[in-house]
Amino acid sequence: KNEVEQSPQNLTAQEGEFITINCSYSVGISALHWLQQHPGGGIVSLFMLSSGKKKHGRLIATINIQEKHSSLHITASHPRDSAVYICAVGSNYQLIWGAGTKLIIKP
Amino acid sequence: EADIYQTPRYLVIGTGKKITLECSQTMGHDKMYWYQQDPGMELHLIHYSYGVNSTEKGDLSSESTVSRIRTEHFPLTLESARPSHTSQYLCASRTEEAEAFFGQGTRLTVV
Repeated sequence: KNEVEQSPQNLTAQEGEFITINCSYSVGISALHWLQQHPGGGIVSLFMLSSGKKKHGRLIATINIQEKHSSLHITASHPRDSAVYICAVGSNYQLIWGAGTKLIIKP
Repeated sequence: EADIYQTPRYLVIGTGKKITLECSQTMGHDKMYWYQQDPGMELHLIHYSYGVNSTEKGDLSSESTVSRIRTEHFPLTLESARPSHTSQYLCASRTEEAEAFFGQGTRLTVV
């Protein structure tokens, strides 16, 4: 079993839909990261969470430490949100990556 | 503003050539990482460093080598490139509080 599991693996939605991507982990962590990778390959850090909830524009990230679970939400989704969204957890020395969720938003 | 730079962004090179992928960060982070990612696949750790003169191999076996002579610089070298080295290489660094920063990646094609 992978230490970081993301779901779904692939998600296609219509513009305007509310999007949720989930991340579950099985290791002790110091922080959880949500990252966005566009087809060109560059990775952008969206959020770093150690507790609670963060919001940036249309993006919201939550984490439940007790349940070892985090969600990334996108409100009013737009085709430019199409990308791979990756969850990564940081322990003392390592970053452990999820497999990513490929999101396609259709106009 | 956090800054971590990778050069080049794209590289097409012939088999047998020696190449060095550069990664530099201006934030004074001790922990730095190199990841390899094949298209549509997960990122795999190939090298990491906890500070100057510290380098370790990661989870994925790699024929590349790294050095860490200065805190801000963590280059990755392939002595003799092969088509099997074609991949994307991503550099990252972390604060002690585990906040991570990522380079834009280097997309390497060996022909």
